[in-house]
Amino acid sequence: GENVEQHPSTLSVQEGDSAVIKCTYSDSASNYFPWYKQELGKGPQLIIDIRSNVGEKKDQRIAVTLNKTAKHFSLHITETQPEDSAVYFCAASNRNNDMRFGAGTRLTVKP
Amino acid sequence: NAGVTQTPKFQVLKTGQSMTLQCAQDMNHEYMSWYRQDPGMGLRLIHYSVGAGITDQGEVPNGYNVSRSTTEDFPLRLLSAAPSQTSVYFCASSYDREFGYTFGSGTRLTVV
Repeated sequence: GENVEQHPSTLSVQEGDSAVIKCTYSDSASNYFPWYKQELGKGPQLIIDIRSNVGEKKDQRIAVTLNKTAKHFSLHITETQPEDSAVYFCAASNRNNDMRFGAGTRLTVKP
Repeated sequence: NAGVTQTPKFQVLKTGQSMTLQCAQDMNHEYMSWYRQDPGMGLRLIHYSVGAGITDQGEVPNGYNVSRSTTEDFPLRLLSAAPSQTSVYFCASSYDREFGYTFGSGTRLTVV
């Protein structure tokens, strides 16, 4: 089955700096790659996703890139703010296989 | 529009007790799933359903049962609780596997 690895497990940045979280996946059939943000005491919330026919997608300060050949994808957050502090999860799936999640990255943005 | 509703939010069980975690969604999603979240291990799939009357096992199904009699509801049953089942449980729903999931707010379960 699919195996998703996520790095780093913790990330601390200064407010205004950029943050990058990287994930790799094992199943070449995976074609849907979402990212979730989880705030303390809440369920994960979808923040951005990308499909295999697209190399990059942006939504304001967040962007995701996908390299299908290398089987890795990344989340980029620019101009970080304290409210970006949370745990971020990457995931991978396809029509025939359920979504598998990375272990998570705890991002701390210092004011 | 409530999204995905999970009850209870907190529960303490004694070893050997059984209980049902409730999950309901009002978005007419066909796909529903249960995950458990443990520190450093991300979200692991317990069971899932692609529609009413259809369920299947995920990565860590042992000790859990599910049923899907309606599109809206997907309860998770712990048959005989064990301390290893202490975790936070999340229910999620979606149109299908290739769309983003909507998660509930979770149930924090402690088995003593």
